[in-house]
Amino acid sequence: DAKTTQPTSMDCAEGRAANLPCNHSTISGNEYVYWYRQIHSQGPQYIIHGLKNNETNEMASLIITEDRKSSTLILPHATLRDTAVYYCIASNDYKLSFGAGTTVTVRA
Amino acid sequence: DSGVTQTPKHLITATGQRVTLRCSPRSGDLSVYWYQQSLDQGLQFLIQYYNGEERAKGNILERFSAQQFPDLHSELNLSSLELGDSALYFCASSVGYTERNTIYFGEGSWLTVV
Repeated sequence: DAKTTQPTSMDCAEGRAANLPCNHSTISGNEYVYWYRQIHSQGPQYIIHGLKNNETNEMASLIITEDRKSSTLILPHATLRDTAVYYCIASNDYKLSFGAGTTVTVRA
Repeated sequence: DSGVTQTPKHLITATGQRVTLRCSPRSGDLSVYWYQQSLDQGLQFLIQYYNGEERAKGNILERFSAQQFPDLHSELNLSSLELGDSALYFCASSVGYTERNTIYFGEGSWLTVV
């Protein structure tokens, strides 16, 4: 898996969009970008993944730069329940390698 | 609810003992994964099975073993337990084993070794 770099923590306001950055400058052409989150020791929850194109689902949007060296996860309207550790993973391997992630705190 | 079921949710046992953690994958999923999450190591991949066969091994200790049964449920066996084995053990499942398959995690089994 390519190494990913994420901020250690970030705060966002409830109701506002949360933009979570991830750098993966050594990503190879066949590695996908995955985002998972973990809410306080619960099982990691799949959010979204993509290869080249931007992706959107009911939870979030994933914006991948054209050179694929970085990406941004967008939670369009953050709620208190979105407080969690968010993991960005770049992988072509089904055995996902989780790093330290970004601890996101949504504040009222 | 991811559809992946793990039992037991909590387990306390003594050093030197052996425990078995059980996982039922989502309906239709053939692939099962085991992960360990401890405070100092983060989420570590242990082992993966696909349709009863071992597919990949990660940082799994020799004291640990796993298997996937014909009904696709899986068990993780931990023996000669040490204090350092105290951790949250997650099972996950997916339909297949390619990078395109979404992996869904269970809620975990908390193991405390005293």
